[in-house]
Amino acid sequence: DSGVTQTPKHLITATGQRVTLRCSPRSGDLSVYWYQQSLDQGLQFLIQYYNGEERAKGNILERFSAQQFPDLHSELNLSSLELGDSALYFCASSARLIDEQFFGPGTRLTVL
Amino acid sequence: LAKTTQPISMDSYEGQEVNITCSHNNIATNDYITWYQQFPSQGPRFIIQGYKTKVTNEVASLFIPADRKSSTLSLPRVSLSDTAVYYCLVGDPTSGTYKYIFGTGTRLKVLA
Repeated sequence: DSGVTQTPKHLITATGQRVTLRCSPRSGDLSVYWYQQSLDQGLQFLIQYYNGEERAKGNILERFSAQQFPDLHSELNLSSLELGDSALYFCASSARLIDEQFFGPGTRLTVL
Repeated sequence: LAKTTQPISMDSYEGQEVNITCSHNNIATNDYITWYQQFPSQGPRFIIQGYKTKVTNEVASLFIPADRKSSTLSLPRVSLSDTAVYYCLVGDPTSGTYKYIFGTGTRLKVLA
């Protein structure tokens, strides 16, 4: 158990819908990262927050947005969902920027 | 942005030492080298991080030559449970442009 929690574990929805994935980092960790992993794309970095501020951006679509709240938990919002958005979405956290990332168990999103 | 190249797959037998090399010819001065391990349907797990020379922890060693254009992850006496995908990441986590590119990784299969 990494100490990072993600909810929900599984999510099944339809195309065109909007969902919110939630992540609680390890106690004391200031940085939160979001990744998408699909079978054909591997692990793709989406976005990073550090102490509430967006820190780095990867291959995040405009239909996706994220934020980190004052209590340091983070949410990833996915809208206008497409079949290709079906994937495992991982959240990770680290204490400082240089530290190792601890990954959560992931949220498996299925878009039908 | 440092690009990494790793072998796609490797096979080994239980009890053997496994060395996985990562090439990163355009590594920058402030870049660190980090290795992660991932089992199917789980988030990656940090193995080791280094900047130069040799780093050792309870599970692995990381060898970095003086020119830092490559690095080698060494797993001593592997077991069946070490069968996983191993990723090499190179970059400066303190930089806001760091993209946390995991790449395709090396799929290690440990045979009995």
